[in-house]
Amino acid sequence: EVQLVQSGGEVKKPGESLKISCEGSGYAFTNYWIGWVRQRPGKGLEWMGIVYPGDSDSKHSPSFQGHVNMSADKSSSTAYLQWSSLKASDTAMYYCARLGGYCINGVCSRTGFDYWGQGTRVAVSS
Amino acid sequence: SYELNQPPSVSVSPGQTASITCSGDKLGDKYVSWYQQKPGQSPLMVIYQDTERPSGIPERFSGSNSGNTATLTISGTQAMDEADYYCQAWDSRIGVFGTGTNVIVL
Repeated sequence: EVQLVQSGGEVKKPGESLKISCEGSGYAFTNYWIGWVRQRPGKGLEWMGIVYPGDSDSKHSPSFQGHVNMSADKSSSTAYLQWSSLKASDTAMYYCARLGGYCINGVCSRTGFDYWGQGTRVAVSS
Repeated sequence: SYELNQPPSVSVSPGQTASITCSGDKLGDKYVSWYQQKPGQSPLMVIYQDTERPSGIPERFSGSNSGNTATLTISGTQAMDEADYYCQAWDSRIGVFGTGTNVIVL
C-alpha cells in the first residue's frame, strides 16, 4: 500500500528555520517525483514545486523560488521542505504528494498527484 | 505566470449534473488533472490526463478539455460529492492549480 506520512505540526516564530518531512512507503521511492502543495487557511491549493528522489533534481514555482528548499534522502525514503527564515505569511497546511506516471515503449507520461500525505500544519507567529 | 480560473461556486440538486469549468490560455494543449477536497481532508485526484479516472473513482466523474477550457462533469451528483474541486495543469514543467470551485449539493 502506497503511503506518504508527514511530520507533525509546527509552531514557529518569524525568522526561525524549519524542515518538515514526508516519508514514502509501499513503492519505489526513487522512481517518482514528490510534490509540495501549500494551502493557506481558508484558501486554495498552491503548487510549490517537485523533487525527484532519484537524483535530487527539483523544480520550483516562481512564487516559491528562493524562499523554500526541496530535497530528498533516498536512504530513508523521505522528502523534505525547508525554510531558512519563516514569515507569518508561511502559516499554512503543507501537503506532499506523489506524482504518478507510466512509461510505454520508453515514452513516459505523468498523470497527476495520485497519493497525498495527511498534511503538516505550520503556524508562524510572534 | 500561467493562470487557471474557475467559478467560485457551483450549485446542483441531488441526481442532477454539475459542470465545473477551468479556463486558461491554450489549456487544450495541456493535460489537466482534477482534485476533490473535502473539509479537513487531503485532496483526492478524480481525473488525470483530461479524461482518465483513477482506480476507485466513480464513473459519474468525467472530464474534457478543448480550446481554452477544461470541464469536470459530475453526473447524478450525490450529497457526498459536495466539496472543493481544483483543476491543475503544467506550464513549462511547472504546475499550477486553478482557483478552486465549491460544489454545493442542495
